[in-house]
Parts: sequence; structure tokens; C-alpha cells
Amino acid sequence: AQKITQTQPGMFVQEKEAVTLDCTYDTSDPSYGLFWYKQPSSGEMIFLIYQGSYDQQNATEGRYSLNFQKARKSANLVISASQLGDSAMYFCAMREPLTQGGSEKLVFGKGTKLTVNP
Amino acid sequence: DGGITQSPKYLFRKEGQNVTLSCEQNLNHDAMYWYRQDPGQGLRLIYYSQIVNDFQKGDIAEGYSVSREKKESFPLTVTSAQKNPTAFYLCASSIKDSVYNEQFFGPGTRLTVL
Repeated sequence: AQKITQTQPGMFVQEKEAVTLDCTYDTSDPSYGLFWYKQPSSGEMIFLIYQGSYDQQNATEGRYSLNFQKARKSANLVISASQLGDSAMYFCAMREPLTQGGSEKLVFGKGTKLTVNP
Repeated sequence: DGGITQSPKYLFRKEGQNVTLSCEQNLNHDAMYWYRQDPGQGLRLIYYSQIVNDFQKGDIAEGYSVSREKKESFPLTVTSAQKNPTAFYLCASSIKDSVYNEQFFGPGTRLTVL
């Protein structure tokens, strides 16, 4: 069963406007963490923002904020004042415990390609 | 500067050949990971290692092998048993008990089978 769902294969936004990228997740674990990563055309994955399941407030990091709705199991990324350099793939991911040793892996959605138009 | 390096950036392989992808980190991170990314897909875990001389299979380990002889290094070998190896490979590392346990990624290696 898919654990991270990103329903928007592609999104377009005008420069300086805000955009919301959707992410829903599925887990029965009461303790979990959600990440957003940016992947520019160069390929490297860049960590943007993190939301813990017990965090009382929505995470914010500069122009990035996370609209966390726990009951709906959604963790949407909001990018304010879009810039041309924001054009990239964006991935939502959830931490999942690995079977041995207490480490964790990331389970990724399929991503959303964001294009910022001048 | 601390970070993760992967080499080569592009790699071409003939069918039936084994190839090794390099991953080095100087972040002093304990855990290291290999992910595979196919077009239009998210990342999938191949192998992971939490300490030197120990590693475990991830979700799609068949046709791959790894070693962890040094804390800084976690090379991935794509063997001839991997039926569809053309993909983008990303190495990552993390430190235990950090605030977020986020993973830091290298720039990736794009492997093409000719």
C-alpha cells in the first residue's frame, strides 16, 4: 500500500506568488516524521523542512511552511513568494523504522514537478 | 567543507558487467544508505548500514552488493544479476539522535546500461 501520496504530477506558479504542494500519508504509528525534499535538475536531494507528529505548531523554514493536518493525514508544503530557482521536483517523505538496529529509512512519494514562470 | 561525494557522475555499463559506484562522506555520520530513483518515481532503498562492517538489505537489494569497511565509505556494486540497472543512484547519510534524523544526500550517479 502506498504510504505517501502526491497527487499533483506537475504544478505551475507565477513568480512571486505562493503555491501549495499536496502530500497525504498513511501510517498507524503514533510517532512519525514527515520531510520535504527539493530535487533540482542536477539531481541532488535538498532537505527543506520537517514536521514531527507531536509538534504542536506547523513547521516553517524561511519561505517554506508545512500545513500539517493530522486528522486528515496531510502535510502540504507551502512555498511563499516563488522564485525562478524554485523550479524543481519536490518530494514528500516519511520516516519508517528499519527492522534492525533502530535506524530509519525514508519512504518517498512520486514527487511533484514545480515550474515557476516569470 | 563537509558533505557527501559520489563518483562517477555518469556511468555506462555493458550488459553482463559488474560496476561499482563510490560514495564517500566526511560528515562523521554513522548511518549510510543507497537509494535508486527511476523516472517519475520516488526513491527506493537498496541497502543501508548503521555501523562499520555491518549492512542490511533494503526493499530492492536483489542484484546489488555493498561493503562498509570504513565509516566514510559505502560503495555499491551493481552486479550482472540486476536485470534493469539503468537508473539514478543516490547515496545518503544520517547521524543518530539528531533533531530530525534527516538524511543528507550526495549528487548522485546516473547509470546507463548499453
